[in-house]
Amino acid sequence: GQQLNQSPQSMFIQEGEDVSMNCTSSSIFNTWLWYKQDPGEGPVLLIALYKAGELTSNGRLTAQFGITRKDSFLNISASIPSDVGIYFCAGLANTGNQFYFGTGTSLTVIP
Amino acid sequence: DVKVTQSSRYLVKRTGEKVFLECVQDMDHENMFWYRQDPGLGLRLIYFSYDVKMKEKGDIPEGYSVSREKKERFSLILESASTNQTSMYLCASRESQVHGYTFGSGTRLTVV
Repeated sequence: GQQLNQSPQSMFIQEGEDVSMNCTSSSIFNTWLWYKQDPGEGPVLLIALYKAGELTSNGRLTAQFGITRKDSFLNISASIPSDVGIYFCAGLANTGNQFYFGTGTSLTVIP
Repeated sequence: DVKVTQSSRYLVKRTGEKVFLECVQDMDHENMFWYRQDPGLGLRLIYFSYDVKMKEKGDIPEGYSVSREKKERFSLILESASTNQTSMYLCASRESQVHGYTFGSGTRLTVV
């Protein structure tokens, strides 16, 4: 199965800093999703993107659907301790039935 | 909100045992999925189902089977558990092909 390249693999940041992470694929996707997983829990959907170039916000989170349709970006502004967790991207190809997931970015916020 | 419930949060089983992982969703979704999650490997699809009594293999079906006798319930079966099946197992459902998944809280399985 296809796997998405997600970077960075891990981040350690100070509270209040902004965070950026991205996801790239060798295939074109029609839908990009971003999930957050708290320790010991299942992933929770943060943002869904359906059009190339689309920019969507959810509070302090902003995600973009890359214009090449092969990448997506997630930014978190003014990080707080509860932002700690693993962030996953997921993409759906035009002919696909399932979403493919990135390997995750582990975020640690230092108070 | 859709709720996806996995029956166990933690399980410890012995090698060779038959293991059942249960998943129930309450929003009449037709699509259900089983993933396993391992550090550095992300989420890998084991099996999925688009309807009752229907199943499709995902990327890593070996050593697993599934059952979907009712729309709301999707069971993952480890026929003969092995230590390399120690993992976090996540069940998910979705409303349609373009909708994102709703995940359960996961079952952390340890095979000893």
